[in-house]
Amino acid sequence: QVQLQESGPGLVKPSETLSLTCTVSGVSVTNDRYFWSWIRQPAGKGPEYIGRAHITRKSDYISSLKSRVTISVDTSKNQFSLRLTSVNAADTAIYYCAREGLDQWSRLDYWGQGTLVTVSS
Amino acid sequence: DIAMTQTPLSLSVTPGQSASISCRFSHSLLRHDGKTYLFWYQKKPGQSPQLLIYEGSSRFSGVPDRFRGSGSGTDFTLQISRVEAEDVGTYYCMQGTYFPPTFGQGTKVEIK
Repeated sequence: QVQLQESGPGLVKPSETLSLTCTVSGVSVTNDRYFWSWIRQPAGKGPEYIGRAHITRKSDYISSLKSRVTISVDTSKNQFSLRLTSVNAADTAIYYCAREGLDQWSRLDYWGQGTLVTVSS
Repeated sequence: DIAMTQTPLSLSVTPGQSASISCRFSHSLLRHDGKTYLFWYQKKPGQSPQLLIYEGSSRFSGVPDRFRGSGSGTDFTLQISRVEAEDVGTYYCMQGTYFPPTFGQGTKVEIK
C-alpha cells in the first residue's frame, strides 16, 4: 500500500535552511498521475499548503514562500524533498508530505505521519 | 484570494446523535472541468489528516457511510450520523479548485 515517511532535523537555527525528505513506498514518484506535496501545520492553526513537485511539470509554491522554498523529486531513491531557506520562528510547525492527484485534481489522499520542526537558537 | 469560513469552531455531540459542519466560500468551487474540488479531512491528535470526502460528496476508500458530504457552488456540509467515540478530532474542509489549496479553520468535535 502507499506509504510516505518524513525525515530530517527537528531543530533548525534561525536564518538557516530547513531540509526534509519524504520517502515514498507503494507507488513510484515517476508516476505522472501524481504531484508530491508538502503541507505544514503550526501549533493551534489549520494546515497550510506549501507546494508541490511533479516528474515532468514545474514545481508550484504558495506566493508567501516562493522566494525561499524548493520542492524536488529524487527518482533514484523514490523520494522527494523540501528545502526552506532563511527560516524564522514562524516556520515552526509539523511538516507533512503527501501525495496529490493530477487526474484526481488536488486530492491529497496519502500523508506521512508528520515531523515537528522547531526554529530556535 | 478565495475566502472561506468554516463553522462551527467546536461541537459537542452525544454518542448516537448527528453532527453537521459547514464551509462557505467567496467564489464558486466549480472548476472548468465541471467538477467541484471540495474535500473533508479528519485529524486526530498526533496523527496526520485523513481524507474522508473528495469532490464534495464522494467517500474515500474505507470511510464509513456515516460520513456524508453535500453541497455545491459556495456552500458545503459534512454530516456525521450516529456519532461514535472514535469520531473525536478536528475536521477540516479544503478547497482544491484554486491554487493553492486552502484549508478551513477546523471544527473540533468532542463527545459528551
